[in-house]
Amino acid sequence: DAGVIQSPRHEVTEMGQEVTLRCKPISGHNSLFWYRQTMMRGLELLIYFNNNVPIDDSGMPEDRFSAKMPNASFSTLKIQPSEPRDSAVYFCASTKAGQSSGANVLTFGAGSRLTVL
Amino acid sequence: EDQVTQSPEALRLQEGESSSLNCSYTVSGLRGLFWYRQDPGKGPEFLFTLYSAGEEKEKERLKATLTKKESFLHITAPKPEDSATYLCAVSGSSNTGKLIFGQGTTLQVKP
Repeated sequence: DAGVIQSPRHEVTEMGQEVTLRCKPISGHNSLFWYRQTMMRGLELLIYFNNNVPIDDSGMPEDRFSAKMPNASFSTLKIQPSEPRDSAVYFCASTKAGQSSGANVLTFGAGSRLTVL
Repeated sequence: EDQVTQSPEALRLQEGESSSLNCSYTVSGLRGLFWYRQDPGKGPEFLFTLYSAGEEKEKERLKATLTKKESFLHITAPKPEDSATYLCAVSGSSNTGKLIFGQGTTLQVKP
């Protein structure tokens, strides 16, 4: 299994530009999560999907952020327009949710490091 | 609101010097408490899940314990390769897999 695959690994852009981050979850997983990590705030949940449907986007900072999951094997997180304060590492994670007992282990990708100048 | 607080923020140990990391939590209907390890430039890597108070799990030099309010990650005779950031997270009663993370403890083990 290749794990959760994210691209690009590094992105440097200028303020005002559009940024698109991509994620391929583990095959068979039905829940997908986008997290953002910064030194100040740690790992913050932005949005998550269950069976390709957005369930909770309350962590999305503002309207400049949007996420889609057109099918079970692909998701995007878009920032338009980008600002310097969006600089962070963005992680995608997936799991097989909905089990009758216990809690589900999230498997994380390697992350996309975004720098907005 | 679910919340996780980890302490200390940073910990420096000599090789072989045992210690513990703390994770205090408040959550509605705990489904699981998770420990992850994160190395620089990488995503968090799963270590343990604890489900109920009194439960313990071990892996090599690491042992995780759980009470109704907190969890400890005990590190026995650490080695330099144990240096990493250790993250604690909780999953509440929603059963969606959503995890709320603490800020992490950055551990440095010197030879």
